[in-house]
Amino acid sequence: DAGVTQSPTHLIKTRGQHVTLRCSPISGHKSVSWYQQVLGQGPQFIFQYYEKEERGRGNFPDRFSARQFPNYSSELNVNALLLGDSALYLCASSLRGFGDTQYFGPGTRLTVL
Amino acid sequence: GQQLNQSPQSMFIQEGEDVSMNCTSSSIFNTWLWYKQDPGEGPVLLIALYKAGELTSNGRLTAQFGITRKDSFLNISASIPSDVGIYFCAGRNSGGSNYKLTFGKGTLLTVNP
Repeated sequence: DAGVTQSPTHLIKTRGQHVTLRCSPISGHKSVSWYQQVLGQGPQFIFQYYEKEERGRGNFPDRFSARQFPNYSSELNVNALLLGDSALYLCASSLRGFGDTQYFGPGTRLTVL
Repeated sequence: GQQLNQSPQSMFIQEGEDVSMNCTSSSIFNTWLWYKQDPGEGPVLLIALYKAGELTSNGRLTAQFGITRKDSFLNISASIPSDVGIYFCAGRNSGGSNYKLTFGKGTLLTVNP
């Protein structure tokens, strides 16, 4: 079975632009979480979705938004990009998100110039 | 955002040596998790701990959930070259509406063959 997939693998944007990152969870998983990992740091929680509803939001500005589709895939959107948004964006899926194991995808490397 | 205090930041050891790393928090967690991240990959779960005082092994890895619920350690015995990578601790609480993971900054392990 395929694991968590994310696209694109790498992305280069300039300040002020908008970006959309995509995630497909493991088949049968209904919860998706997004994390930002800045170089040299551990992942930081951004959002969690379950059954298309936002279940939790981390300490990120409103420029960050996300949604989950009926097929449980998810998109993370970031508007008005800043240099500090350069990071590895990780998606994790779990069966229901109620404390069950989160499986991470390989991430999308975003570079903002 | 909050990050756990993980130490050491990096370790350089000889193949066959044992390794120990730990993680502390100012707040209590219901679950402690240890992940390993290889370059270009997302974190992979190694061990999950669910009860204070619990000691759990996974092959050459052993981890313990501190009795105060504010700390955890991971031991790797008889290290091998493929143990190279970044090890992260993560804490999780099951209260509220989301089950976000709070990560440490990671321990970079290098094993000299």
